[in-house]
Amino acid sequence: SYVLTQPPSVSVAPGKTANITCGGNNIGSKSVHWYQQKPGQAPVLVIYYDTDRPSGIPERFSGSNSGNTAALTISRVEAGDEADYYCQVWDSSSDHPGVFGGGTKLAVL
Amino acid sequence: QVQLVQSGTEVKKPGASVKVSCKASAYSFTGYYMHWVRQAPGQGLEWMGWINPKSGDTNYAHKYQGRVTMTRDTSITTAYMEMSRLISDDTAVYYCARGGTIFGVVQHPYDYWGQGTLVTVSS
Repeated sequence: SYVLTQPPSVSVAPGKTANITCGGNNIGSKSVHWYQQKPGQAPVLVIYYDTDRPSGIPERFSGSNSGNTAALTISRVEAGDEADYYCQVWDSSSDHPGVFGGGTKLAVL
Repeated sequence: QVQLVQSGTEVKKPGASVKVSCKASAYSFTGYYMHWVRQAPGQGLEWMGWINPKSGDTNYAHKYQGRVTMTRDTSITTAYMEMSRLISDDTAVYYCARGGTIFGVVQHPYDYWGQGTLVTVSS
């Protein structure tokens, strides 16, 4: 089955830029979605179809996808951005098509 | 506003079954796929499967085939996920999540989620 690889943790100072990567074989040929999950809460969609932002998500959140790596970029990081972030793709050829990455804990220093 | 409200915490013994409900409101229930995702304590998200609420068609992740059944009752706009032969590793929070329209692609992202249902399997 398709595997998505994320770094377990990323640390960033307030006001700086955080980059969270999601690696997968030729992931650039797939659509990537990103979810934010705070402790004790359900996930929230923050980026979909690689680069689109749902209404209500700040412009500070952006996404990219090319080759074997997709990325979620959070500019001007705030304390409230501290959360777990998960990437997701759909692999129709797999017997487990709805694939999530292992998640990245974003720590705001 | 769109809401998905799930049933409450469950405690089950190994070998038992559990049925989690997900009540949808403020949108066309039969117009959107419903997916189920689980999260073991301290672990990541795991996709389990989807149901087309209009047709009742389902698609389960291979590891759950034969043990998970997803159903719906359109009269009360509620989706269900039933898991049988529970083991301790099934201890997790189970989420329902709205996918894309049934007339579009199934790989549309999940824009609304239930609050989660904790299922604990313990002897």
